[in-house]
Amino acid sequence: GALVYQYPRRTICKSGTSMRMECQAVGFQATSVAWYRQSPQKTFELIALSTVNSAIKYEQNFTQEKFPISHPNLSFSSMTVLNAYLEDRGLYLCGATYSAETLYFGSGTRLTVL
Amino acid sequence: QQKVQQSPESLSVPEGGMASLNCTSSDRNFQYFWWYRQHSGEGPKALMSIFSDGDKKEGRFTAHLNKASLHVSLHIRDSQPSDSALYFCAASEMTGANTGKLTFGHGTILRVHP
Repeated sequence: GALVYQYPRRTICKSGTSMRMECQAVGFQATSVAWYRQSPQKTFELIALSTVNSAIKYEQNFTQEKFPISHPNLSFSSMTVLNAYLEDRGLYLCGATYSAETLYFGSGTRLTVL
Repeated sequence: QQKVQQSPESLSVPEGGMASLNCTSSDRNFQYFWWYRQHSGEGPKALMSIFSDGDKKEGRFTAHLNKASLHVSLHIRDSQPSDSALYFCAASEMTGANTGKLTFGHGTILRVHP
């Protein structure tokens, strides 16, 4: 399957501070990139979907003001969690697709908020 | 109501045995299904996609879809201890450019014991 690299693997930040995470599609050009958050209870929430030649679409309960995403080319995307609080903790997953059939996930960035 | 429901919540099978996981959707718009496997500390890895009625086999893994009942199953033959993981069923209304907008079930924990 396709390889998606996420950095950092884990991060700890103080409440009210911000942190940035990166996603790299290795060896392929991603036509779509999706950012998800997996809660400590293992449930998934779609944050936003970024598709070639389209604006980034945020899901309900997630905003660009809180989770700004940059998607400068077909291989790289980054997302920042601004003013992180306890409810923002979880595993942030980047998924990319090139075949428009299957979404391939990276290992995720685990965010802990103190 | 959870739109994608998985059963059982957990499953234990002996090494070499058959593991059967189930998934049902309550939303008739969901026509596309995937199975993902997640090991502890990692992101979900795509195992199989299935979009048409019937069986789809890839190695030791066989998926079965019944669109009329919106039921999809995953069968793992000759189960190995390395198959022990959390398995997610995911569904979508569409593929193509909007691949990435997935709805996940709560997962089935599979344990393969020696």
